[in-house]
Amino acid sequence: KNQVEQSPQSLIILEGKNCTLQCNYTVSPFSNLRWYKQDTGRGPVSLTIMTFSENTKSNGRYTATLDADTKQSSLHITASQLSDSASYICVVSSRRAGNNRKLIWGLGTSLAVNP
Amino acid sequence: GAVVSQHPSWVICKSGTSVKIECRSLDFQATTMFWYRQFPKQSLMLMATSNEGSKATYEQGVEKDKFLINHASLTLSTLTVTSAHPEDSSFYICSAQPPLTGGYEQYFGPGTRLTVT
Repeated sequence: KNQVEQSPQSLIILEGKNCTLQCNYTVSPFSNLRWYKQDTGRGPVSLTIMTFSENTKSNGRYTATLDADTKQSSLHITASQLSDSASYICVVSSRRAGNNRKLIWGLGTSLAVNP
Repeated sequence: GAVVSQHPSWVICKSGTSVKIECRSLDFQATTMFWYRQFPKQSLMLMATSNEGSKATYEQGVEKDKFLINHASLTLSTLTVTSAHPEDSSFYICSAQPPLTGGYEQYFGPGTRLTVT
């Protein structure tokens, strides 16, 4: 069964600190892995998209890693800001018949950055 | 670039009435649009995939006669919740996929909060 599991479920950190969010997946066939940021009551915003051959990708203070062998990914946030408070969702894209793709969504990690 | 809008951002309706939600790609043409539903503290759940000019493809368990999708142009898709019931109360999010990206990119709208009383 295709699944995406994220940990921790929730996290509270102080402003300026770093944190790492984890994502484990069992999705086949694998197409790519995405990290999204979703503010409360808003749609998701893409942070990174990584294909099978990419090990790491950065977007400002966000750095995602991918280990396709162990089927694990992480999202590292450096020098956190209050505006980083949001849900961070790991999504794995699986290729379906006809070159269509299905997105398998994790439940997300709820991050709260406190002053 | 790559902005997707939704209207309305929130709506309250009475049980038994119908509600239409619009999804627009503002600065690109979207051959494919997706409709999702998200309940509190849960993941986005894909409801249907709509391609411009053709019938939508619904995910298993989604009633196509209840959730009517129209994708009449390359920049507009609509979702109509017919005969809404309180259990249809949810956060509805659309996304739009630009052409020629091989399904690689999806841009999400800000969502519509539907409350059925």
